[in-house]
Amino acid sequence: SAVISQKPSRDICQRGTSLTIQCQVDSQVTMMFWYRQQPGQSLTLIATANQGSEATYESGFVIDKFPISRPNLTFSTLTVSNMSPEDSSIYLCSVIGGTGEAFFGQGTRLTVV
Amino acid sequence: GENVEQHPSTLSVQEGDSAVIKCTYSDSASNYFPWYKQELGKGPQLIIDIRSNVGEKKDQRIAVTLNKTAKHFSLHITETQPEDSAVYFCAADGGSQGNLIFGKGTKLSVKP
Repeated sequence: SAVISQKPSRDICQRGTSLTIQCQVDSQVTMMFWYRQQPGQSLTLIATANQGSEATYESGFVIDKFPISRPNLTFSTLTVSNMSPEDSSIYLCSVIGGTGEAFFGQGTRLTVV
Repeated sequence: GENVEQHPSTLSVQEGDSAVIKCTYSDSASNYFPWYKQELGKGPQLIIDIRSNVGEKKDQRIAVTLNKTAKHFSLHITETQPEDSAVYFCAADGGSQGNLIFGKGTKLSVKP
């Protein structure tokens, strides 16, 4: 299994500001995924991040709001820009392990006030 | 695209009883069906998965069955324990990229 570390684990932010979430994996992976989990809800894919190319965003998510970096095969960042209270969610990164299973980090619990 | 429906949304059982959670999916091309357990304040933890080339998989008290013809799969937990209480999510692979489409989750409560 892959070990995924996310930072920060939680944060409280003022509206209008931006927060960058880091995701570090203990092994090299081709694809990393960023999901959002709104309070009491299921997980929704934000984007797929491949090393060396631009992230691919799902319908309803745009790069200006959620810019993603993927500088190498073990690291990615997701920025939540110009935050509003509606962005309060858990943000999760995920990777596909060597045998095809999807593993998740512990998540970043974001509260926007 | 893929759509995953999950039932029930809440489930309460007595300790020692069995719990069954059911999911249906829409895309016949999906081949991978994992189940996740999410405890409060934590990320989803993979507990079992099944691929389309098998109909059933078991790991101790947990089993998953898959019916590809009917496009549904189920999670079975036997001899439930209070520590099984959590939210459980089913998922199906959303395409060649490896992303997952999740059901809405089932909150399982096991009463001692």
